[in-house]
Amino acid sequence: SQQGEEDPQALSIQEGENATMNCSYKTSINNLQWYRQNSGRGLVHLILIRSNEREKHSGRLRVTLDTSKKSSSLLITASRAADTASYFCATVFVSNTGNQFYFGTGTSLTVIP
Amino acid sequence: GAVVSQHPSRVICKSGTSVKIECRSLDFQATTMFWYRQFPKQSLMLMATSNEGSKATYEQGVEKDKFLINHASLTLSTLTVTSAHPEDSSFYICSVSSSPDLNTEAFFGQGTRLTVV
Repeated sequence: SQQGEEDPQALSIQEGENATMNCSYKTSINNLQWYRQNSGRGLVHLILIRSNEREKHSGRLRVTLDTSKKSSSLLITASRAADTASYFCATVFVSNTGNQFYFGTGTSLTVIP
Repeated sequence: GAVVSQHPSRVICKSGTSVKIECRSLDFQATTMFWYRQFPKQSLMLMATSNEGSKATYEQGVEKDKFLINHASLTLSTLTVTSAHPEDSSFYICSVSSSPDLNTEAFFGQGTRLTVV
């Protein structure tokens, strides 16, 4: 399976604290994307980082990518209760038959007010 | 930004019947759409890649005769779950990307909760 793995599976923090989630993958990638999913809903794109980039910021989000270790991390600073959701990394996998899009196992984040 | 409309949002059907789920790209023409299935508290599993005007590409282990995909136009792809069984109950989500090489963000439908009784 091309699916990536995330850790931790679940994370519970107090409002105001930072949350860090990690994603590891297995193959060469074009880019890696992070998504958020509220319970029973569709996914919302957060940030995309290309394979030649090492770090990107968007508001309270910071994403890093280490292609040598095949890993990425998502940092949410100054967390809020509204950040409570599941977070998934998705890797765009380069294949001979066309690029594919695979999701990691996800991290369930709970921010306690 | 792009909007993806997925319909229906919820459906309950009897075992043995077929259910069709529609995915529409409202803001741009999508040559490629993706269908995912998500079981409770699990990640999204790619089922198939839907290509406009040609046959869908199915992931290993996904029965193409059970999950029929039709991508008849650049804005519409449909997933039909044929002869549904209770184990097909799941959350089905479609996505589209404006970039054929997936080098931009993907946009997701709101998902369809299928319950087979």
